[in-house]
Amino acid sequence: DQQVKQNSPSLSVQEGRISILNCDYTNSMFDYFLWYKKYPAEGPTFLISISSIKDKNEDGRFTVFLNKSAKHLSLHIVPSQPGDSAVYFCAASYGGATNKLIFGTGTLLAVQP
Amino acid sequence: DGGITQSPKYLFRKEGQNVTLSCEQNLNHDAMYWYRQDPGQGLRLIYYSQIVNDFQKGDIAEGYSVSREKKESFPLTVTSAQKNPTAFYLCASSIRQGYNEQFFGPGTRLTVL
Repeated sequence: DQQVKQNSPSLSVQEGRISILNCDYTNSMFDYFLWYKKYPAEGPTFLISISSIKDKNEDGRFTVFLNKSAKHLSLHIVPSQPGDSAVYFCAASYGGATNKLIFGTGTLLAVQP
Repeated sequence: DGGITQSPKYLFRKEGQNVTLSCEQNLNHDAMYWYRQDPGQGLRLIYYSQIVNDFQKGDIAEGYSVSREKKESFPLTVTSAQKNPTAFYLCASSIRQGYNEQFFGPGTRLTVL
């Protein structure tokens, strides 16, 4: 039972354009969402996060949008750069005493020069 | 220079042998985690520990064991009971229980021949 879904396994974007990565979730108890970036054979690195009390969080070229009614979040990267090419994972947590993260399957972003 | 180290980067073992993967952090984080990544799948939680001398099973704990004798160390043993041990293993830590953001090590690629 996949509670966090990234339905697009891959995405190709031209340099300078906007990249939009999508993530859907099924568990309405999730109250915190994160995006991680991962290069091959390396550990994921934290990119940006959002609490369920917000609908938008911005950090430089990265913006995450949360639509709780649709149980959907998206990561916008603008402008996209070739160095952004990586696998992006969204993750969700429902806090409490433990902070287990539930990860999606990832989207491979390729930014073409 | 604080961070999480995992060693070795690549590990080869014969089928039927137990193998222990190392994870050390000098971030003074209370919580530590072990994940497994397989091609086309998200990160799946194997075990986690919120404090020293305490740990809990994650979603796919069968065939694995852990210990948490020191705050900075959380080794994972892949036993011969694990049916499909070949995978990329990632260790992570977070400041304390209930804190969402997790920091990841570089990973260990285990191949069982």
